[in-house]
Amino acid sequence: RKEVEQDPGPFNVPEGATVAFNCTYSNSASQSFFWYRQDCRKEPKLLMSVYSSGNEDGRFTAQLNRASQYISLLIRDSKLSDSATYLCVVNGGGGFKTIFGAGTRLFVKA
Amino acid sequence: ETGVTQSPTHLIKTRGQQVTLRCSSQSGHNTVSWYQQALGQGPQFIFQYYREEENGRGNFPPRFSGLQFPNYSSELNVNALELDDSALYLCASSLGQGANTGELFFGEGSRLTVL
Repeated sequence: RKEVEQDPGPFNVPEGATVAFNCTYSNSASQSFFWYRQDCRKEPKLLMSVYSSGNEDGRFTAQLNRASQYISLLIRDSKLSDSATYLCVVNGGGGFKTIFGAGTRLFVKA
Repeated sequence: ETGVTQSPTHLIKTRGQQVTLRCSSQSGHNTVSWYQQALGQGPQFIFQYYREEENGRGNFPPRFSGLQFPNYSSELNVNALELDDSALYLCASSLGQGANTGELFFGEGSRLTVL
């Protein structure tokens, strides 16, 4: 089983749609969680951290369920510029390593 | 601009050769981690260096090795190159380590092709 698993994608949605990405992690001792965004042929960049209480940044909402070892990212009112790969990232858990999921590709179409 | 620079940006090697990739971390960052990203995959953790010591390693063979220097810059060395080593190699710098690792700032990567 992979340490971090994401929806395989790709997701193809029209502008204005709401899209949700799901992620699960296997190490219950993991301690910090993030979503990164990677544009085509570019390096990953932090989109937002994820907290148990849930957090929102504009059109983006992230949730963490530690009991289910599940992380989500919700994008509302999708824009063309949201087209990218979204990477679920998990840190800690007894080792000094940051683990990335395989990523979910999002295509937002006009 | 993340302030993390990697060199070279592109290189081509043949099987069995050795390669050294370099990374300059963002000013003030004491942790550097290296990732291998194959086409269509997420970055795979290779190892992490904190204050010149390797303190975390992913599932990569010993022919993948590294160094971190007193100025926190880093090198990734790969010996006995194999065709499957063809990938984008990403360096990321950050403050702290382990669960206290903050945001990762990535360089643009070094794209290695092994023929």
